[in-house]
Amino acid sequence: GIQVEQSPPDLILQEGANSTLRCNFSDSVNNLQWFHQNPWGQLINLFYIPSGTKQNGRLSATTVATERYSLLYISSSQTTDSGVYFCAVGGGSNYKLTFGKGTLLTVNP
Amino acid sequence: KAGVTQTPRYLIKTRGQQVTLSCSPISGHRSVSWYQQTPGQGLQFLFEYFSETQRNKGNFPGRFSGRQFSNSRSEMNVSTLELGDSALYLCASSLGLGWREQYFGPGTRLTVT
Repeated sequence: GIQVEQSPPDLILQEGANSTLRCNFSDSVNNLQWFHQNPWGQLINLFYIPSGTKQNGRLSATTVATERYSLLYISSSQTTDSGVYFCAVGGGSNYKLTFGKGTLLTVNP
Repeated sequence: KAGVTQTPRYLIKTRGQQVTLSCSPISGHRSVSWYQQTPGQGLQFLFEYFSETQRNKGNFPGRFSGRQFSNSRSEMNVSTLELGDSALYLCASSLGLGWREQYFGPGTRLTVT
């Protein structure tokens, strides 16, 4: 099956700093999603981005499908951005998502 | 539109018992998937249903089963619970038929003692 690697595993920032999270995947995909898991465990949709670039406020994402990676950019980070960020990919005819291990982001005031 | 709902939110069971978890997808969504999240294994796919048919199954023992009803609501069942089944169980829904973006519910946190 598809392998997904996220880096870095942990990231500590000061409020106001920018960051880039990376997701590498091992095969062609037709689904790639970025999620933020809140402290209660719910996965919040950030981007559905199997290819191309999208922006939503301080967050943006780019997927280069031909090179099998995706990047999530967080600008002017806030303490509320803290939490675990997951990249999940899917391929083929089914809807199964394979998740990376996540990046734990801590934003200090 | 209401999001994905899951019931119950928290559950405590003892080893050997069985448990049923419920998931109601977003209105109009026909595909429902289930995932298990544990600290050791991360997020792992359990199964996916579309129009009452299981389309895909993850690498879990037969104690884990599920079904989907005609209104797209889904249930998953775990029989003969083991301590290692303690986890957060997440349900996701998508439109299906090529629309792949998935939306997750709040999860059911199961503790097996």
